[in-house]
Amino acid sequence: QQQVKQSPQSLIVQKGGISIINCAYENTAFDYFPWYQQFPGKGPALLIAIRPDVSEKKEGRFTISFNKSAKQFSLHIMDSQPGDSATYFCAAALNEKLTFGTGTRLTIIP
Amino acid sequence: DTAVSQTPKYLVTQMGNDKSIKCEQNLGHDTMYWYKQDSKKFLKIMFSYNNKELIINETVPNRFSPKSPDKAHLNLHINSLELGDSAVYFCASSQGAWGYYEQYFGPGTRLTVT
Repeated sequence: QQQVKQSPQSLIVQKGGISIINCAYENTAFDYFPWYQQFPGKGPALLIAIRPDVSEKKEGRFTISFNKSAKQFSLHIMDSQPGDSATYFCAAALNEKLTFGTGTRLTIIP
Repeated sequence: DTAVSQTPKYLVTQMGNDKSIKCEQNLGHDTMYWYKQDSKKFLKIMFSYNNKELIINETVPNRFSPKSPDKAHLNLHINSLELGDSAVYFCASSQGAWGYYEQYFGPGTRLTVT
């Protein structure tokens, strides 16, 4: 059972554009929503995270938008750069467990 | 300094063999994890240990046995390897056991079973 659904599976964006990745969750008990970034051959690393009592969080070019009523959250990458090309995972936490989405492979083209 | 390290980085073995993957963290964290990432990049928790105590044991075949000799080490032993075990295995650590703690991942061990 996939409790965190992520889309799209892959995304190609031009340099300078906005990249948007969406996630939806089923369990309303989730209480923490991080995004992890994974470069080829490396382990995932925390990028940005949000709690459900906040509707938006911004860190530099990265913004999480959170819609509690719709049980959806999304990652926006402004002014996307080739160095942002990676696989992005949303996740949701409940107690000790972190459940990951299926990942989005983002490619930024010049 | 490497925060979370795993050995080996690559492991190629035949079906039916037994193999181990080792993980060490030098972050002083209390909690360590094993994740499996399949060919479609899906990342799934297998086990987690907090202060050497098993706290998460997902639906994983009994052939997989984690061992935590101390807080800084978490090893994964796999018996009777099968083709479906081929994947990248990631070790991770966090300051605490709750899901809101940042998890620091190792570089992964690519296991190929032939």
